[in-house]
Amino acid sequence: GAVVSQHPSRVICKSGTSVKIECRSLDFQATTMFWYRQFPKKSLMLMATSNEGSKATYEQGVEKDKFLINHASLTLSTLTVTSAHPEDSSFYICSARGQGYGYTFGSGTRLTVV
Amino acid sequence: GENVEQHPSTLSVQEGDSAVIKCTYSDSASNYFPWYKQELGKGPQLIIDIRSNVGEKKDQRIAVTLNKTAKHFSLHITETQPEDSAVYFCAAGNAGGTSYGKLTFGQGTILTVHP
Repeated sequence: GAVVSQHPSRVICKSGTSVKIECRSLDFQATTMFWYRQFPKKSLMLMATSNEGSKATYEQGVEKDKFLINHASLTLSTLTVTSAHPEDSSFYICSARGQGYGYTFGSGTRLTVV
Repeated sequence: GENVEQHPSTLSVQEGDSAVIKCTYSDSASNYFPWYKQELGKGPQLIIDIRSNVGEKKDQRIAVTLNKTAKHFSLHITETQPEDSAVYFCAAGNAGGTSYGKLTFGQGTILTVHP
């Protein structure tokens, strides 16, 4: 079946630094990637949608200069949290879809900003 | 846009009992309804899905029903086991052929199965 690998699973960073999260589709070509944010005991909130080779489409209220999304290849998308602050601490999850494939989720990244 | 409401927020059952989780959606254009199981600290895993041209789908102990007219769909788990304990999310989206649009998730249901 389709597999999406997300790294790192956990990261702690200092306030003001940037953190990059990677999402790779291992056995299919991901034409579209979705990035979600999830607060404790809450649902998944879509942050942005990216199609390979195009700029990401951000949901209302999501700062595109703070959450940089790159989808330069059919197997890799990255989310960079720039100038991270404690309020950016959250669980970030990617989801990939490809031709003939539904949504496959990564295992998530727990970001803690101290 | 789409709005998905999920109930109940918590559900506690005894092992062997059945569990039912219900969702409603607002956008009549939605035609794809997956259910996900999420364990603590992990990403969601698809457990079953249904498209709008089908009223019911079953996979062993898990079944999903869809009422397009009423815009609601339900997850049914029979013969529950302690390992079924997790958070369950419903979602709705628009899928055309092999193309899938974005999903809107429900609020989640914490299912606890007591031995």
